Amino acid sequence: QKEVEQNSGPLSVPEGAIASLNCTYSDRGSQSFFWYRQYSGKSPELIMFIYSNGDKEDGRFTAQLNKASQYVSLLIRDSQPSDSATYLCAVPRDNYGQNFVFGPGTRLSVLP
Amino acid sequence: DADVTQTPRNRITKTGKRIMLECSQTKGHDRMYWYRQDPGLGLQLIYYSFDVKDINKGEISDGYSVSRQAQAKFSLSLESAIPNQTALYFCATQDTSGTEAFFGQGTRLTVV
Repeated sequence: QKEVEQNSGPLSVPEGAIASLNCTYSDRGSQSFFWYRQYSGKSPELIMFIYSNGDKEDGRFTAQLNKASQYVSLLIRDSQPSDSATYLCAVPRDNYGQNFVFGPGTRLSVLP
Repeated sequence: DADVTQTPRNRITKTGKRIMLECSQTKGHDRMYWYRQDPGLGLQLIYYSFDVKDINKGEISDGYSVSRQAQAKFSLSLESAIPNQTALYFCATQDTSGTEAFFGQGTRLTVV
């Protein structure tokens, strides 16, 4: 049974700072990792995903994988108040990307 | 119009009543999912379907049933609603590449 853990927060950072969100996963064989953003009362939307072969940068967002310690990080540079949301980490249940095990999410608050 | 549409968006029902939540999609995806979200618990998988003739139980299927009427339609039923089924329910679709899942707007269900 795969498990995904996240600190529920809230994580508070000042505007313009770097927000660092972490997610640990139980299955050492996991090969892809997804980050979703969910605004209060809204549906999750994909920010980015990475495969086990490397990190990824997309604009202000960077996803990094530490396979040895089994955690994946999402860094948000130049944080904006509009980044205030809950960030969900998800790992597919199998290596075909079928289904996802979601973490409980970390609530991020960016203070103006 | 949204690619993944859930109806109703909000529903209050009484204990013991049967209720159906509907999901339709225009993305042409074969994979469809029903998730439940409770505060602090993230998204939990109820049922999923990879094509019209395929139905699979998720982590928390007890008390729920589903019907895949067509590629575009996937309904979730609560045969006899109970208060601890009060939650936010999301339908999601995914293509066979196994990457992004697209979520509907959610249905907020309250069982009194």
